[in-house]
Amino acid sequence: GAVVSQHPSRVICKSGTSVKIECRSLDFQATTMFWYRQFPKQSLMLMATSNEGSKATYEQGVEKDKFLINHASLTLSTLTVTSAHPEDSSFYICSAAPIGGELFFGEGSRLTVL
Amino acid sequence: AQSVSQHNHHVILSEAASLELGCNYSYGGTVNLFWYVQYPGQHLQLLLKYFSGDPLVKGIKGFEAEFIKSKFSFNLRKPSVQWSDTAEYFCAVNAPYTDKLIFGTGTRLQVFP
Repeated sequence: GAVVSQHPSRVICKSGTSVKIECRSLDFQATTMFWYRQFPKQSLMLMATSNEGSKATYEQGVEKDKFLINHASLTLSTLTVTSAHPEDSSFYICSAAPIGGELFFGEGSRLTVL
Repeated sequence: AQSVSQHNHHVILSEAASLELGCNYSYGGTVNLFWYVQYPGQHLQLLLKYFSGDPLVKGIKGFEAEFIKSKFSFNLRKPSVQWSDTAEYFCAVNAPYTDKLIFGTGTRLQVFP
């Protein structure tokens, strides 16, 4: 079945650095991918919709300059957390669906900012 | 704006007990409804979904959910839970023709042998 893969699964970085997380659709093309953030014991909050070949659409309250999204190809979207701070520590999850198909989720990427 | 409420935050059951997890949504139009499960250390997986038709939906692993339009509810049920059902369960909703999902806060289910 369709698979969505994220890399890295875990990353630890120092405060002030930037971190890039990749989301790949392994056996289908996705013009749209979604990025979610999950806090401990809380729900998934949609951060943004990544659109291939155009700008991402951010949800209200999500800083565009903080969370840079690039959807350079039909199988890859990247989320870059710029100038990371400890409060950015979270579990980031991406999802994508083949056209007309079921939405699949990546394994998630746990970011820890020291 | 769409929102999803899951009133049970943490449910503890013994094996073979029956399960019902509540899910209510707020959206006046036609919606698609989902239940996802997240087992410890794993990614989200789709349990079942409702798009249209029979409001009683059968999913994987013996789960089912009933869409009651008048109550804006989509409760998840299982007649007899197993220890392996221990996981986090999320209800989600989206409007038709969009893959953007709005999730509930999740319900943590613990099943003891």
